[in-house]
Amino acid sequence: DAGITQSPRHKVTETGTPVTLRCHQTENHRYMYWYRQDPGHGLRLIHYSYGVKDTDKGEVSDGYSVSRSKTEDFLLTLESATSSQTSVYFCAIMTRNEQFFGPGTRLTVL
Amino acid sequence: AQKVTQAQTEISVVEKEDVTLDCVYETRDTTYYLFWYKQPPSGELVFLIRRNSFDEQNEISGRYSWNFQKSTSSFNFTITASQVVDSAVYFCALSEGGILTGGGNKLTFGTGTQLKVEL
Repeated sequence: DAGITQSPRHKVTETGTPVTLRCHQTENHRYMYWYRQDPGHGLRLIHYSYGVKDTDKGEVSDGYSVSRSKTEDFLLTLESATSSQTSVYFCAIMTRNEQFFGPGTRLTVL
Repeated sequence: AQKVTQAQTEISVVEKEDVTLDCVYETRDTTYYLFWYKQPPSGELVFLIRRNSFDEQNEISGRYSWNFQKSTSSFNFTITASQVVDSAVYFCALSEGGILTGGGNKLTFGTGTQLKVEL
């Protein structure tokens, strides 16, 4: 157990509304990641963070922003949700060059 | 750019059969890491193994074994005497470099192989 929680675990929202997903870790890991999982695509990196206030884009960052004001929290924001952002979102931390994942958030955008 | 290919979309076997899941990767880096994750029907991602590019020794852990061959850019995963509990989606992943090289260990995943083990 890498001490990672995600909230909410499930969310249904409407197109055009803002959505924020939270990833929380308890073990002071420096690196944190957000991925999305879609059928036929595996997992794809959205954004990652290498420290407080230090973030960078991943492969599929369009339409998403992130913030990390504290070591333990990494927030993913969809400024204006679209149906194409319906997905399962996983947060991960890295320790000893290995990534461990949170339980995931299932987001449905109607 | 790095790429991971898992050509087998779905595999069905009968319990106690051996099964091999294929993973082929592409990278320009000389330093990289390869991973396997298991995603059971409950949805969580379970870390199985990490292998770095300098270590081509095969690894065995119980019924699981991994065959890493740099010459063919493959990192295949074999389950011996499969069980119903092995039914899951298995993902192979690649990260280039490491923290010291600034790569941030961003993972590139394959599309996964759905393994179904039936009685």
